[in-house]
Amino acid sequence: EVHLVESGGGLVKPGGSLRLSCAVSGFTFSSFGMIWVRQAPGKGLEWVSFITSTSSDIYYADSVKGRFTVSRDNANNSLFLQMNSLRADDTAVYYCARGPGLKGYEPWGQGTLVTVSS
Amino acid sequence: DIQMTQSPSSLSASVGDRVTITCRASQGIGNFLGWFQQKPGKAPKSLIYAASSLQSGVPSRFSGRGSGTVFTLTISSLQPEDSATYYCQQYYGYPPAFGGGTKVEIK
Repeated sequence: EVHLVESGGGLVKPGGSLRLSCAVSGFTFSSFGMIWVRQAPGKGLEWVSFITSTSSDIYYADSVKGRFTVSRDNANNSLFLQMNSLRADDTAVYYCARGPGLKGYEPWGQGTLVTVSS
Repeated sequence: DIQMTQSPSSLSASVGDRVTITCRASQGIGNFLGWFQQKPGKAPKSLIYAASSLQSGVPSRFSGRGSGTVFTLTISSLQPEDSATYYCQQYYGYPPAFGGGTKVEIK
């Protein structure tokens, strides 16, 4: 069974940093692109970043460009999101998801909450 | 960037009703469109991919149609467990934008 488990969220002060991880199992991680999506409290879904299977192509939302860095470790089936210069409006639940594959973006992890507050 | 517009933003319907949600893309995206269901406190769940293909395990009362710029998600007979927020997402290009969501409530 395919599983994605995010970790690394927490409370951080404005200007601080956090590194999120997404541990995957149940599929050949190195064959799939991966995305990060976030959801601010009470708001809709916002795509954050995408990385191809080989890390050859990486994209970021304008709202995080220059502050966030996505990476992956195919040997250890892990996806990462390094978040620097955090702001209050980065407060959200962050999800990782597989794709896009033949079946779109699926599945998704359960999410990890990042709270940026002084 | 491709913009995705969903309508309505919310609806209330009775058990057994037929419900349709519309998603419009600002430019043609072929059939690179997915629909997601999200319940409070839970991660989004993929219902439909490629505009009209049902993910494994998704009840057949859910269906998707469309191509190009206009897409619909239909629930043929609304059930209490369908109370949720539904999102469309294009994956034709980057950024893979989401629609604003449609909150479905049961009367």
